[in-house]
Amino acid sequence: GAVVSQHPSWVICKSGTSVKIECRSLDFQATTMFWYRQFPKQSLMLMATSNEGSKATYEQGVEKDKFLINHASLTLSTLTVTSAHPEDSSFYICSARNSDTGSPLHFGNGTRLTVT
Amino acid sequence: LAKTTQPISMDSYEGQEVNITCSHNNIATNDYITWYQQFPSQGPRFIIQGYKTKVTNEVASLFIPADRKSSTLSLPRVSLSDTAVYYCLVDLSGGYNKLIFGAGTRLAVHP
Repeated sequence: GAVVSQHPSWVICKSGTSVKIECRSLDFQATTMFWYRQFPKQSLMLMATSNEGSKATYEQGVEKDKFLINHASLTLSTLTVTSAHPEDSSFYICSARNSDTGSPLHFGNGTRLTVT
Repeated sequence: LAKTTQPISMDSYEGQEVNITCSHNNIATNDYITWYQQFPSQGPRFIIQGYKTKVTNEVASLFIPADRKSSTLSLPRVSLSDTAVYYCLVDLSGGYNKLIFGAGTRLAVHP
């Protein structure tokens, strides 16, 4: 149980285009989901907290207009990287908490984004 | 959010027991200690969570002293497939807080 599915697992896009990444909680409802970014050999860096039915909360230094987050249902959050540039190339990981039980946090398998 | 401190890296050999210690001096009363494992190009995987004393599951044991200012993740008889990064975090059980990751411990298991 407690499966978080992330799609796509990898994507290559051209500079200037936008990419959408989906995060789904498959067997539980999640009013809160989190988006992380991870560069090679580094730890996970929290980008934003996605809240169902309301605006996302972004961490300091993360551009909300560049990383659009939508949490339209209790099982789906999406991250759209707008006007992607090569420096946006990274490993993006979503996570979710079960709305009924809270902890622990469950993670998706990540999306490898490469911007050419 | 309590900060945790772990060794940056550890080396071990197949069949040995590995103990990774984490310090969390500012842990709050309602915080639980949670450990995750991450393989390259994968999301972190939940290993174990505990509040005090000892917790054991099919994968690992977690030892927490009475003052809860530190904890030790114990992996019995490691294999090559246990080579990964291990993260220790404090988390509010039943809560909905965000988790801030530290650097983690990079464990390398050798034949």
